Amino acid sequence: GENVEQHPSTLSVQEGDSAVIKCTYSDSASNYFPWYKQELGKRPQLIIDIRSNVGEKKDQRIAVTLNKTAKHFSLHITETQPEDSAVYFCAASSVYDYKLSFGAGTTVTVRA
Amino acid sequence: DAGVIQSPRHEVTEMGQEVTLRCKPISGHNSLFWYRQTMMRGLELLIYFNNNVPIDDSGMPEDRFSAKMPNASFSTLKIQPSEPRDSAVYFCASSLAGSHEQYFGPGTRLTVT
Repeated sequence: GENVEQHPSTLSVQEGDSAVIKCTYSDSASNYFPWYKQELGKRPQLIIDIRSNVGEKKDQRIAVTLNKTAKHFSLHITETQPEDSAVYFCAASSVYDYKLSFGAGTTVTVRA
Repeated sequence: DAGVIQSPRHEVTEMGQEVTLRCKPISGHNSLFWYRQTMMRGLELLIYFNNNVPIDDSGMPEDRFSAKMPNASFSTLKIQPSEPRDSAVYFCASSLAGSHEQYFGPGTRLTVT
């Protein structure tokens, strides 16, 4: 099955700086890569996703890049704000089904 | 528009008791997923349904766990008998046919003492 690895496990940044989280996946059949944000005690919320026919996608201060050859994808948050503090999960899904395999999560802390 | 609804939000029970968690997917969504989240194991997919039919239950930890989806608007996850190691947050998520985008419910925090 799919194996998704996520790094780093924790990330502390100064407000206004950028944050980058990286994930790798093992199954070359994976074609959908979402990112979820989970605030303390809340549900995971889909914030952005990318499909394998696209190399980069942006939505305001967040962007995701995908390198299919290397089987890795990254989340970039620019101009970080205190409300960006949360746990971020990457995931991957195959063309064969709709199961999501999640990374272990990255706890992002934005220092004011 | 209501999102995924789960009940109860919190459940505290004693070891050996039966626990039933409930989920109502977003109206019109025909895929439903049950996840378990713990600090040690992260987010694990337990089972998912497509058009009320279980498609993959390989994540169900053992026979004490069972899930049903009797109709398009309701699913249950049952643990019988419950054990302290079942303590976790259980999430239900749903998605539209042909879409990978999954939307999570608020979760049920289960504590087994």
